[in-house]
Amino acid sequence: DAGVTQSPTHLIKTRGQQVTLRCSPKSGHDTVSWYQQALGQGPQFIFQYYEEEERQRGNFPDRFSGHQFPNYSSELNVNALLLGDSALYLCASSFSGGVTEAFFGQGTRLTVV
Amino acid sequence: TQLLEQSPQFLSIQEGENLTVYCNSSSVFSSLQWYRQEPGEGPVLLVTVVTGGEVKKLKRLTFQFGDARKDSSLHITAAQPGDTGLYLCAANLNRKLIWGLGTSLAVNP
Repeated sequence: DAGVTQSPTHLIKTRGQQVTLRCSPKSGHDTVSWYQQALGQGPQFIFQYYEEEERQRGNFPDRFSGHQFPNYSSELNVNALLLGDSALYLCASSFSGGVTEAFFGQGTRLTVV
Repeated sequence: TQLLEQSPQFLSIQEGENLTVYCNSSSVFSSLQWYRQEPGEGPVLLVTVVTGGEVKKLKRLTFQFGDARKDSSLHITAAQPGDTGLYLCAANLNRKLIWGLGTSLAVNP
């Protein structure tokens, strides 16, 4: 049973560029949440996708957008990258029908230079 | 304002010592989870507590959910270097996980 997988694992981008991160949820899960985690901090909630729609959103600008596909996989897009966007981006999947336990991928380390 | 307050923020102890980490809030939660995260990796779920007053044990780790479902504690007995990591609590609020900032634990041999 495959867990949550994210790609790529590491990425270096230039300020102003755009980036797309990908996530495949754990088998049987239908909800995907994205988090940004700065070094030494807890994860900060970006948004959550369920039934291909953004269901909840944290305090992040519109430069952060996402998508969920019919197979429940998801993408996180960040436009006009800033140096402060450098972080570990985590994808978590869960099942909407029960207690909201999140299972995480290994994350994508984004460095903006 | 941080909904979930974790304490202490940093903890450095010797192998064999006991420790307790706290996760406190003024809000009532339907469930609360504890995660452990190693550098560069995603958090790994350790336990979920649902019932007020619930106690769960995972080997040397003991988790307790407060009677009012507003707080939780994690107690580690006879800590080992392999316990080193960032311990995060997260609580279920309106189908969204709210996170504490974490407790960074270092267990020295």
